[in-house]
Amino acid sequence: DSGVTQTPKHLITATGQRVTLRCSPRSGDLSVYWYQQSLDQGLQFLIHYYNGEERAKGNILERFSAQQFPDLHSELNLSSLELGDSALYFCASSLNVGGLSGNTIYFGEGSWLTVV
Amino acid sequence: AQKVTQAQTEISVVEKEDVTLDCVYETRDTTYYLFWYKQPPSGELVFLIRRNSFDEQNEISGRYSWNFQKSTSSFNFTITASQVVDSAVYFCALSEARTSGSRLTFGEGTQLTVNP
Repeated sequence: DSGVTQTPKHLITATGQRVTLRCSPRSGDLSVYWYQQSLDQGLQFLIHYYNGEERAKGNILERFSAQQFPDLHSELNLSSLELGDSALYFCASSLNVGGLSGNTIYFGEGSWLTVV
Repeated sequence: AQKVTQAQTEISVVEKEDVTLDCVYETRDTTYYLFWYKQPPSGELVFLIRRNSFDEQNEISGRYSWNFQKSTSSFNFTITASQVVDSAVYFCALSEARTSGSRLTFGEGTQLTVNP
């Protein structure tokens, strides 16, 4: 158990819908990351939040957005869903004091999203 | 730009064989971090090891060992006396200290199958 909690574990929804994935980081971790794993794209970095502020953006679509709340949990919102958005979405967390890199990044169990 | 290459897409061995998973990386940063993660069939990403670029000591943890060679930009992972439970996809990842914060760039992964 990594200590990173993600909900829901599985989600099936229709095209055009909107879903929210939730993540609770490990106790004490200030950084939260979102990654997408699909068959054709592999593991792709989406976005990084540190202590409530967005720190870096990767290959995140405009239809996707995220935020980190004062209690440090994070949500990834996916809207206008398309079949190609079907993937395993991971949340990860790390300590990153001062937002610096180098700390171990621990992953949650992922949220399986199927768009039909 | 940073890049991680895992040339071996799939490896199949018989139980108790030793197996080495290759990882080659590219980076312009002088300070960086290398990781290995295991993804069993259940889907979660399990952290195995983190190595700093300024620490070239090899590491052994039980049946697992890692060989880090900056001269060849490689960070290979060896499993000694493999077991069926080692069957999983293994990912090598890189994080640059300066250019991309803590985001991880993953290789494509190596599917390891250990047959009884």
